Amino acid sequence: KAGVTQTPRYLIKTRGQQVTLSCSPISGHRSVSWYQQTPGQGLQFLFEYFSETQRNKGNFPGRFSGRQFSNSRSEMNVSTLELGDSALYLCASSLFAGGKETQYFGPGTRLLVL
Amino acid sequence: EDQVTQSPEALRLQEGESSSLNCSYTVSGLRGLFWYRQDPGKGPEFLFTLYSAGEEKEKERLKATLTKKESFLHITAPKPEDSATYLCAVNTNAGKSTFGDGTTLTVKP
Repeated sequence: KAGVTQTPRYLIKTRGQQVTLSCSPISGHRSVSWYQQTPGQGLQFLFEYFSETQRNKGNFPGRFSGRQFSNSRSEMNVSTLELGDSALYLCASSLFAGGKETQYFGPGTRLLVL
Repeated sequence: EDQVTQSPEALRLQEGESSSLNCSYTVSGLRGLFWYRQDPGKGPEFLFTLYSAGEEKEKERLKATLTKKESFLHITAPKPEDSATYLCAVNTNAGKSTFGDGTTLTVKP
């Protein structure tokens, strides 16, 4: 079974630009969550999508947005990039079955903002 | 505000020297507590989900336990390949996830 895939794996942007990251969850998983990981702040929850609807949102500014498509693939967009947005962006897909939840992460997209 | 604290920050063990990692949490409405392993440059790898106090899960040399305030990840007779950062996260009834800062484990042969 294929795992969670994220594209691109690496990205370099300059301040003020915008970026779109993509995530394809494991087949059959309908929940996709996004996280930002930095050395200083650790792993922080951005948002969760389920069946094309944003179900939960973390404490990030409105420059961070996302969406989910009918095939469960998800995209995350960051507008007006700032230096502090440099981070590893992780996507995770979750399966809920029998009252239990398992969550699988992708390899991440490493974003560098210059 | 939900809080997750992991200790120690770093742990160095000799191969075969068993130990435990701690994850203490303060949340309003725990839906589940997750343990992950993360290797450098990679995404976290799912290990366990625990839901209620008293629950235990095992996988190879790892055993996770949960109380109302904390979780332990016990590592029995670790091997060098167990070296990684171990992350704990809580998911609340509100659907939000909060991660701890992790414990970096180094196992020396």
